[in-house]
Amino acid sequence: DAEITQSPRHKITETGRQVTLACHQTWNHNNMFWYRQDLGHGLRLIHYSYGVQDTNKGEVSDGYSVSRSNTEDLPLTLESAASSQTSVYFCASSDGETQYFGPGTRLLVL
Amino acid sequence: DQQVKQNSPSLSVQEGRISILNCDYTNSMFDYFLWYKKYPAEGPTFLISISSIKDKNEDGRFTVFLNKSAKHLSLHIVPSQPGDSAVYFCAASANTNAGKSTFGDGTTLTVKP
Repeated sequence: DAEITQSPRHKITETGRQVTLACHQTWNHNNMFWYRQDLGHGLRLIHYSYGVQDTNKGEVSDGYSVSRSNTEDLPLTLESAASSQTSVYFCASSDGETQYFGPGTRLLVL
Repeated sequence: DQQVKQNSPSLSVQEGRISILNCDYTNSMFDYFLWYKKYPAEGPTFLISISSIKDKNEDGRFTVFLNKSAKHLSLHIVPSQPGDSAVYFCAASANTNAGKSTFGDGTTLTVKP
């Protein structure tokens, strides 16, 4: 069965370190998205991609970057982790309006 | 400016009764609306959607109603079951956005046995 996976599921890092969160989907979807969810808030879009070599900034993109070298993967990089980036991160993919989400990565920045 | 609002952070209902979750939006360009359900420690999963050309869509116990003039949609769950206890997110997208949705903050539904 097609799926979307994220790794690691949990990560603790220190302020200033570079962190990369992986997202891999086997749906063969062109569209991929990264969101963060903070307590009491909805999903806020960080970056998204509509295909290989395409990346776009979302509403909360500062301090994050993505790259899309193939259809299956959209890694999210925190260039220099900050405590404000402590959150739960969700990756999603879609081939239309419906998005399919990964299980999430819980990131703690100390 | 939050374009999709779910004004009730939580809702508690008795098993077997109706649950009504509400959502308001401000962007008139939105033409497709979705509800997602999220259990703790899992990613959101798609529940039901509605296009702006319709005012109702039904799938089993779940019905979504859309009132375009009021920029309001609601999700009805009848009858509610304890397994429906979860966070429900309303999302909206514009036709040109290729699946990029704007999400509300979610409503936590608790269905009591």
